[in-house]
Amino acid sequence: DIQMTQSPSTLSASVGDRVTITCRASQSISSWLAWYQQKPGKAPKLLIYKASSLESGVPSRFSGSGSGTEFTLTISSLQPDDFATYYCQQYNRIFTFGPGTKVDIK
Amino acid sequence: EVQLVESGGGLVQPGGSLRLSCAASGFTFSSYWMHWVRQAPGKGLVWVSRINSDGSSTSYADSVKGRFTISRDNAKNTLYLQMNSLRAEDTAVYYCASDAFDIWGQGTMVTVSS
Repeated sequence: DIQMTQSPSTLSASVGDRVTITCRASQSISSWLAWYQQKPGKAPKLLIYKASSLESGVPSRFSGSGSGTEFTLTISSLQPDDFATYYCQQYNRIFTFGPGTKVDIK
Repeated sequence: EVQLVESGGGLVQPGGSLRLSCAASGFTFSSYWMHWVRQAPGKGLVWVSRINSDGSSTSYADSVKGRFTISRDNAKNTLYLQMNSLRAEDTAVYYCASDAFDIWGQGTMVTVSS
């Protein structure tokens, strides 16, 4: 099975900060990686698919990069609506989510 | 409006059964593979099962294989998850999602407890 890790597990940041979250796969997944945002009590929301493709309607301050085993999600300028938990997910072989990164207010 | 609405959650005793439903609207349900994903209280997302567009092919996470069955009725635009031999560790919010995980329902809570 493909295992996913994320770092950091928690990130404290301020509005306007540039934020980067890292996701690593236990084996190569090419570019078959997605990123989701989830707020308490709500369903996840797809942000990025195929490692770097922005989902329709998602603000351009979100971007993704990477391939193989290492990936990053970057928020160029953190906005109040962005405080949430972020998950990566591989879909190269079945589906596995990372453990999540909580972005909270510094 | 594109929408998925889950129902059927509730409190069930260990060893019991429950069937979840996911009603789709606003898109051509019969053309889409579909998934179930769960999230235990305070924990992360876990993929549970997938079914192809005509229901002829299914996949399951090892943790539910042999206990859960995914199915669909394309005439009713509805996805199902039959859950048998339920355990405390199956307690979670269960979400249905479209094949690209770009459409999600609001989730339905399943609690397994005596």
